[in-house]
Amino acid sequence: GENVEQHPSTLSVQEGDSAVIKCTYSDSASNYFPWYKQELGKRPQLIIDIRSNVGEKKDQRIAVTLNKTAKHFSLHITETQPEDSAVYFCAASKPTGFQKLVFGTGTRLLVSP
Amino acid sequence: GAVVSQHPSRVICKSGTSVKIECRSLDFQATTMFWYRQFPKQSLMLMATSNEGSKATYEQGVEKDKFLINHASLTLSTLTVTSAHPEDSSFYICSARRGVVQETQYFGPGTRLLVL
Repeated sequence: GENVEQHPSTLSVQEGDSAVIKCTYSDSASNYFPWYKQELGKRPQLIIDIRSNVGEKKDQRIAVTLNKTAKHFSLHITETQPEDSAVYFCAASKPTGFQKLVFGTGTRLLVSP
Repeated sequence: GAVVSQHPSRVICKSGTSVKIECRSLDFQATTMFWYRQFPKQSLMLMATSNEGSKATYEQGVEKDKFLINHASLTLSTLTVTSAHPEDSSFYICSARRGVVQETQYFGPGTRLLVL
């Protein structure tokens, strides 16, 4: 089955710096890659997603890039703010079966003022 | 929007009792709902996939007789933890997907279960 690895597990940056979180997946049939932000005790919230027919997608300070050949995708946050502090999860799913999401292990991002 | 609610948000029960958790899609019909469990500082682990009008599909290692799932309508799925034990204490989160075509999963706010 699909396996998603995520790095780093923790990331500390200064306010205003950029943050990059990387994920790799194992199943070349996966074609949908969402990123979720989860604050402590809260629900995961979708922040951006990308499908395999696109190499890059941007939404204000957040961008995601996808390299299908290498089977990895990355989340880029620019001009980080303290409110960006949270745990970020990447995920992958295939277009078959129930299109289940397989999650990465999460990255705890801490943005210091 | 796509709003998913979950009830209760928090429950404390004694060992051996059963607990039912409800997951509702409030403004859309969810053909498929998913149930996850999340232990502290860990990722979301899929427990089962619930399709309206059919039996749930459980992930490997998840006991279907312990975690009963019912998806009786397009807006409601329930998870019942039967004969709960302290090791079942966790954060249970549901998600819902609107259509049959691959689409975003919208998560409920989660239910924190503590079994004493």
